[in-house]
Amino acid sequence: ETGVTQTPRHLVMGMTNKKSLKCEQHLGHNAMYWYKQSAKKPLELMFVYSLEERVENNSVPSRFSPECPNSSHLFLHLHTLQPEDSALYLCASSQRAQGYEQFFGPGTRLTVL
Amino acid sequence: GQQLNQSPQSMFIQEGEDVSMNCTSSSIFNTWLWYKQDPGEGPVLLIALYKAGELTSNGRLTAQFGITRKDSFLNISASIPSDVGIYFCAGGGGADGLTFGKGTHLIIQP
Repeated sequence: ETGVTQTPRHLVMGMTNKKSLKCEQHLGHNAMYWYKQSAKKPLELMFVYSLEERVENNSVPSRFSPECPNSSHLFLHLHTLQPEDSALYLCASSQRAQGYEQFFGPGTRLTVL
Repeated sequence: GQQLNQSPQSMFIQEGEDVSMNCTSSSIFNTWLWYKQDPGEGPVLLIALYKAGELTSNGRLTAQFGITRKDSFLNISASIPSDVGIYFCAGGGGADGLTFGKGTHLIIQP
C-alpha cells in the first residue's frame, strides 16, 4: 500500500464512450502525475500538476483531459479514444520539496475496443 | 528528449544467485531512482540516490549513483522467488517528471 489509490482498476470502453479515471493520494503531497505504460515502451509522462496547477502537458492528444480539483485528487477524462490508447495508466504523487521521489498507484488497465 | 539505456532487458537466473543491472544516459541527472513493478501493480520505489558516487543499500539491494552522474547500477544479492518482477531505473533532472528506462525483467528459476 503506497498511499495512492486508483479507480477503476480495469476499464473496457468503446471508441465513442466517455469515461474518467480517478486517483487519490493520502500522503500529503502537492504534486500529482499521469503516466501511460505500454508494452515494450518506457513509462510516458502525460501530465504534471503542482499545487493544483498543470505545469506540464507532454503533447498528449486532446482526447485525454486531466482535472485536479485539489491536491489530493486527480482525474483523467477520456473521450473518443483509439485502440492504440489501450495501456496501463498510472498515477503518481510527490512532495516537490523533497526531491524527485514519486509514489505510484496500482494503475488502471484500459482496453479500448 | 532525455533517454535512459537500461540493461539487461531480461535475466533468467537461479534462486540464490546475485543480480546486477544498470542504466546509462548521455544526459546528467541529479537523482537516480530504482523501482520494482509486480504484475498488475504500479512501480514501488526501492532506492533513491541523490549524490554522485553515493552507494545505498536496502536489505539485499544495493544501488550506486555513478560518479559522472550519467549512470547507476542496482545489485540484488542472494535472489529469492519474490524478487521476480520488472525493475526500472529513473533519472530526475530538474523538471517535475522522471525519465524511465525500459525495465529489466527478472525471472528466477527455483
